[in-house]
Amino acid sequence: KAGVTQTPRYLIKTRGQQVTLSCSPISGHRSVSWYQQTPGQGLQFLFEYFSETQRNKGNFPGRFSGRQFSNSRSEMNVSTLELGDSALYLCASSLAVRLAGDSYEQYFGPGTRLTVT
Amino acid sequence: LAKTTQPISMDSYEGQEVNITCSHNNIATNDYITWYQQFPSQGPRFIIQGYKTKVTNEVASLFIPADRKSSTLSLPRVSLSDTAVYYCLVGEESLDSSYKLIFGSGTRLLVRP
Repeated sequence: KAGVTQTPRYLIKTRGQQVTLSCSPISGHRSVSWYQQTPGQGLQFLFEYFSETQRNKGNFPGRFSGRQFSNSRSEMNVSTLELGDSALYLCASSLAVRLAGDSYEQYFGPGTRLTVT
Repeated sequence: LAKTTQPISMDSYEGQEVNITCSHNNIATNDYITWYQQFPSQGPRFIIQGYKTKVTNEVASLFIPADRKSSTLSLPRVSLSDTAVYYCLVGEESLDSSYKLIFGSGTRLLVRP
């Protein structure tokens, strides 16, 4: 079956603009997580959505937001872009949301490379 | 706050066994430890996951001591195609019972002929 897809793959924006990234999970997966990857900070967890509700959240400012639709597809929005937001944004899907003591496997998409100038 | 530490890089030769250790000094009591592999321009790929002792699958083994403050990914007989960055991932439970997933800084493995 098809893997996790992310669109667009590459994006160039100007400081101060806003951007929306899209993620389509594997069919049947109901949880979508977003990560930011930069050379300096590595992989950092942004948030996780399950059944259209944000269930877990990392330590990012409110400029970073997301949502999930009834078909499990998810979007991530970054407002008032800063140069430091340049990164690879990864989406991962899984069958269920991460809860204490759960064993579950996440499948990652190829990412969206965002460059802020 | 959970802090995960990995060696920055490792070198090996084809056919050798490679062991990569991750220290996670504040892992949540009942959380699993997961390892991922990442190639350039790709998203991370799941390798193995475990809670305690030893787990083995077709590509790797994972050793977790009793105190669970570290884990070791073991890759038997590596090949050139195993050259990649390897990440450990653990969860930290917050006061509001939500989870924050913490990736290690990654270990860049170079396999030489």
